[in-house]
Amino acid sequence: GAVVSQHPSRVICKSGTSVKIECRSLDFQATTMFWYRQFPKQSLMLMATSNEGSKATYEQGVEKDKFLINHASLTLSTLTVTSAHPEDSSFYICSARGYGDYGYTFGSGTRLTVV
Amino acid sequence: GQNIDQPTEMTATEGAIVQINCTYQTSGFNGLFWYQQHAGEAPTFLSYNVLDGLEEKGRFSSFLSRSKGYSYLLLKELQMKDSASYLCAVRDQTTDKLIFGTGTRLQVFP
Repeated sequence: GAVVSQHPSRVICKSGTSVKIECRSLDFQATTMFWYRQFPKQSLMLMATSNEGSKATYEQGVEKDKFLINHASLTLSTLTVTSAHPEDSSFYICSARGYGDYGYTFGSGTRLTVV
Repeated sequence: GQNIDQPTEMTATEGAIVQINCTYQTSGFNGLFWYQQHAGEAPTFLSYNVLDGLEEKGRFSSFLSRSKGYSYLLLKELQMKDSASYLCAVRDQTTDKLIFGTGTRLQVFP
């Protein structure tokens, strides 16, 4: 079945630094990638949608200059949290869809802690 | 826009049956998904409904009524490992975005 590899699984960074999270589709071409954020005991909140080769579309309230999304190829999408602050500490999950694919394949998630 | 509601928490006994409800109000509907999520892990796909009616898959069943904006997930013969969060998600017809509900934390007791 379809697999999305997400790295790193856990990362701790200092306040003010940037962190990059990668999602790779291993056995299919991810035409669309969705990025979610999940705070403790809450549901998944959609942050942005990216299509290969296009600029990402951000949800209302999500700062596009802070959360940089790149989807340069059909197998790789990245989310960079720039100038991270403690309030950015969260669980970040990607979800990919391929050509003619009706389902969504989730990455395993990244636990980001900003200290 | 989308508004998707679920009960926040539920408890049940091992071996019992539990029904988790989901109500939604959307501007464009193209299917409803149910996922299971254990703490610190990614969601796991359980079921998908796009037409009205009941979809059964082993111990899990999901029902959809599009006219009522209502779905439920039915879990039978509950096991301790079923303790998890259950997320209802609606696919937007225009954008293909998957919008998640508030999630229901289920605790199964012996």
